[in-house]
Amino acid sequence: EVQVLESGGDLVQPGGSLRLSCAASGFTFMTYAMTWVRQAPGKGLEWVSTISGSGGSTYYADSVKGRFTFSRDNSKNMVYLQMSSLRAEDTAVYYCAKARSGVVVTSIDYWGQGSLVTVSS
Amino acid sequence: QSALTQPASVSGSPGQSITISCTGTSTDIGTYDYVSWYQQHPDKAPKLMIYDVSDRPSGVSNRFSGSKSGKTASLTISGLQAEDEGDYYCASYTSKYSVVFGGGTRLTVL
Repeated sequence: EVQVLESGGDLVQPGGSLRLSCAASGFTFMTYAMTWVRQAPGKGLEWVSTISGSGGSTYYADSVKGRFTFSRDNSKNMVYLQMSSLRAEDTAVYYCAKARSGVVVTSIDYWGQGSLVTVSS
Repeated sequence: QSALTQPASVSGSPGQSITISCTGTSTDIGTYDYVSWYQQHPDKAPKLMIYDVSDRPSGVSNRFSGSKSGKTASLTISGLQAEDEGDYYCASYTSKYSVVFGGGTRLTVL
């Protein structure tokens, strides 16, 4: 059974940093791209970032480029989203998810339960 | 990358069929057959309902179907059931190696 589980969400002050972690199991981890999608309170889904199965390629939304870093450890079946220079508009539930493909996200077949990040003073 | 355009809400009675449209551009839906649809119930994670325009994952009811014409994709739900109520999002792969979502459509089963 495929499982994706995020952790690390918290309340952080504007300008601060936070790292989200995501543990995956039930599939050949290094074969698939992973992605983060966020959802601000009462709003729609917004793609944040994708990392290829090998970890050799990463892609970011313009809204987070230069502030967020997506990485993975294929030996531990883990991915990480390092977030810095956080802004109020980054407040959202962050979903870690598995792509159906290996390099880019053509669709997302498994989602975590979400981790809430709140940026506020 | 601007969000794909979906109607804010649709509604239908049990047993009826509804269609949700999703309009993009030449850099996403118009070029790639990588349109997917997600169902989201309140306070739950999204669930994949359709991928690659018209394919259904294992376990998804065949009452759900997808199609595409030009820059517009559509999700049709036939034989509406109360459990279908929720938010639906379309998504497409884009020319910038990214994903763009629609703004979401709230489906109400009357």
